[in-house]
Amino acid sequence: AQSVTQPDIHITVSEGASLELRCNYSYGATPYLFWYVQSPGQGLQLLLKYFSGDTLVQGIKGFEAEFKRSQSSFNLRKPSVHWSDAAEYFCAVGANNQGGKLIFGQGTELSVKP
Amino acid sequence: NAGVTQTPKFQVLKTGQSMTLQCAQDMNHEYMSWYRQDPGMGLRLIHYSVGAGITDQGEVPNGYNVSRSTTEDFPLRLLSAAPSQTSVYFCASSFGIPSDTQYFGPGTRLTVL
Repeated sequence: AQSVTQPDIHITVSEGASLELRCNYSYGATPYLFWYVQSPGQGLQLLLKYFSGDTLVQGIKGFEAEFKRSQSSFNLRKPSVHWSDAAEYFCAVGANNQGGKLIFGQGTELSVKP
Repeated sequence: NAGVTQTPKFQVLKTGQSMTLQCAQDMNHEYMSWYRQDPGMGLRLIHYSVGAGITDQGEVPNGYNVSRSTTEDFPLRLLSAAPSQTSVYFCASSFGIPSDTQYFGPGTRLTVL
């Protein structure tokens, strides 16, 4: 069965520091991978997605993620965090035979120190 | 385009009451879904639909019913609310292609007393 694990429940970084949020997935074939962000009291917004091609994917707001098949990982990175990046981040996986169905990880809450 | 809209934004129910959470999209998306979000558990899929007249269960369907009579609307019904259904509910839609972006509504915060 598909599953997604985000090992870090909560991360705090200083403004201007680099960020890496971890995501590991379990799926037998090449998955479709997504990162969504949720600001407090809001719905989810897509940051980026991977489904084929270049394993380094660029997204909105300066985020990028790298798909590593050998490690079953899809970690999200940003070189310099801004205070407005404080939010909850969700990794999700979709499957080729399941239409639009997504399985989400538990989420990582990001706090940014001034 | 309004995107995905949900009503109401907030709702308080007593145990045993019934209600319907409304979800509508104006993007002509075939795929629609309902998730619940609970602290520390991410989003869990309740029910989904791949087109009008077609629905299926997700991870946590018990206590919830859905129907899809039109492409635009996908209501979620709680027949007899329980405190365990206190949660934030999100509706989402997409074209249904696995690589496609899902668009989320703003959510409904439900409290069952």
